[in-house]
Amino acid sequence: GENVEQHPSTLSVQEGDSAVIKCTYSDSASNYFPWYKQELGKGPQLIIDIRSNVGEKKDQRIAVTLNKTAKHFSLHITETQPEDSAVYFCAARKAGTALIFGKGTTLSVSS
Amino acid sequence: DAGVIQSPRHEVTEMGQEVTLRCKPISGHNSLFWYRQTMMRGLELLIYFNNNVPIDDSGMPEDRFSAKMPNASFSTLKIQPSEPRDSAVYFCASTGGRYLVKGELFFGEGSRLTVL
Repeated sequence: GENVEQHPSTLSVQEGDSAVIKCTYSDSASNYFPWYKQELGKGPQLIIDIRSNVGEKKDQRIAVTLNKTAKHFSLHITETQPEDSAVYFCAARKAGTALIFGKGTTLSVSS
Repeated sequence: DAGVIQSPRHEVTEMGQEVTLRCKPISGHNSLFWYRQTMMRGLELLIYFNNNVPIDDSGMPEDRFSAKMPNASFSTLKIQPSEPRDSAVYFCASTGGRYLVKGELFFGEGSRLTVL
């Protein structure tokens, strides 16, 4: 089955800096790659996703890139703010299956 | 919309006791998922249902775990007997759409289980 590796497990940045989280997946048939943000005491929420026919997608300060050949995808957050502090999960899925998540990255943004 | 509703939010029990976690998916969603979150293993898929039918339960740890979805608006995850290593946050999530793979996953707020 699919296996998703996520790095780093923790990331600390200063407010205004950029943050990058990287994931690799094992199943070349996977075609959907979402990112979820989990705030303390809450369930994860979708923040951005990308499908395998697209190499990059951007939504204001967040962007996701996908390299199908290398089987890795990344989340980029620019101009980080304290409210970006949370746990971020990447995930992957192929047709007819459920999302498989990475282990998460705890992002801390200090002001 | 009320979102995915899980109960209880917190449960503390003793080893050997039966635990039942409950989930009400978003109305109209036809796929329901149970995930378990721990520090060591992150978010693990336990089981998912499509149109109330279990599709993949390969993530269920062992026979002590069972899940049911008797109708489109209710699911349970049962652990019997519970063990300390079952301590985790259990999330229920649902998604809509005609086909399983489409649609955003909407998570509940989770049930935090502590087994002493």
